[in-house]
This record gives sequence, structure tokens and C-alpha cells, in this order.
Amino acid sequence: SAVISQKPSRDICQRGTSLTIQCQVDSQVTMMFWYRQQPGQSLTLIATANQGSEATYESGFVIDKFPISRPNLTFSTLTVSNMSPEDSSIYLCSVDLGIDLGDTQYFGPGTRLTVL
Amino acid sequence: GQQLNQSPQSMFIQEGEDVSMNCTSSSIFNTWLWYKQDPGEGPVLLIALYKAGELTSNGRLTAQFGITRKDSFLNISASIPSDVGIYFCAGQLTALSGGSNYKLTFGKGTLLTVNP
Repeated sequence: SAVISQKPSRDICQRGTSLTIQCQVDSQVTMMFWYRQQPGQSLTLIATANQGSEATYESGFVIDKFPISRPNLTFSTLTVSNMSPEDSSIYLCSVDLGIDLGDTQYFGPGTRLTVL
Repeated sequence: GQQLNQSPQSMFIQEGEDVSMNCTSSSIFNTWLWYKQDPGEGPVLLIALYKAGELTSNGRLTAQFGITRKDSFLNISASIPSDVGIYFCAGQLTALSGGSNYKLTFGKGTLLTVNP
């Protein structure tokens, strides 16, 4: 598996502001993913972030609202822009370690965001 | 799009009892994954299944990949208080084709409560 850390672990923000969430992995990975988990709900994929290419967004998520950076093989950021209370969720990054390690996804601890 | 039906939504059991939960899909997956999420944490991978009909164990946990590729179950034997949490199934279309096929589709989760 991989050791994945996220910063911040939680934050309380005012509506209209933006928050950037960081995801750090202890090994080089090609594929990283960002998920949203709304209160009491399951996980929904926001986007796939591969190093060296633009992030691919799922239906219902747009780059202007959730810009993503992937500057290298161990790091990614997700920004939640112009926040509203509806953005209150847990945001999780995950990594796929590749076919040699089972091609399964491992998750970070999450960032719990509350928007007032 | 693909949808996963996970049942039951919640379970209340006594310590020592066995537990079974399952997921069914409207379409085929090539990989089934089972995760457990504790409060305030990210999902932790429990078992990964890669082949139709595969039966895999991890300690007291046993999971099977349905022969039709449209379902999977997870059994927990002799439950203990630390088994409390939310269990998610997730399906992945394929590990080989790349791109959006790496996307995980999650079930809605099963909340397990174990009474000591």
C-alpha cells in the first residue's frame, strides 16, 4: 500500500472564499483521484489527476469550481473555489499503485470542510 | 451510468455474530473492492477481487466476486466491537484499459453496529 497524507485535516470557511487541499504520497504514482463525500453519503469521484496532463472531471464537476494541480508524481492539490454551504463535505484523495500492486485505490484520511 | 445497490443499509448485531452484506450492479465490473471507513477517517481497503467466482479471505473477512460479475458479498465472522464502521463496496470496470476505466463506483455503504 501507500502512505497518503492530506492537509488540512479539517477547516471551517466562510462562503465565497476558496480552500486548497494538499495530498502527499510517499511513493511515485501515476494516477491520483479526488473524491467528495457529502455528509452521510457515499464517495463521488470529482476528477482524475494524472501527472503531465490536464485533470479529467466527472459529470457535474468543473475546473473553474475545482481546479486541480499535479506538479509531480507524489503531490496534488484540489481547490474548492467560491465556496457555499453545499460544498461542506469530506474531500478525499486516492492513488492507484498500478497493475503490479493490484491496481486498487488507496485513500488518504480526508479533509473535512465546513462552509458557513 | 453504472449504479451499485448495497444492502443492508445498516445492521445492529451482537458481538460474536456473523455478518453478511452484498452489492449488486446493473452492469459488469472486472474488479470488486471492499472498504471500511471509520468516523473521521478515509476508507481502508479490506479485500480486492479480480476474477469472477473468486473467493478471498482476510482474517475474519471473506468476500466473493459473483460469477456474473454483477455482484459481490462480504462476510464477517465472529464480529467484535472494533468491526463497527461503514463498509463500502466499489466496482471498477477494468484495470487494463486506462483512462476513465480506473474509475471506482461506490455503493451507498452499510453501517455496522456491534453491541458488546
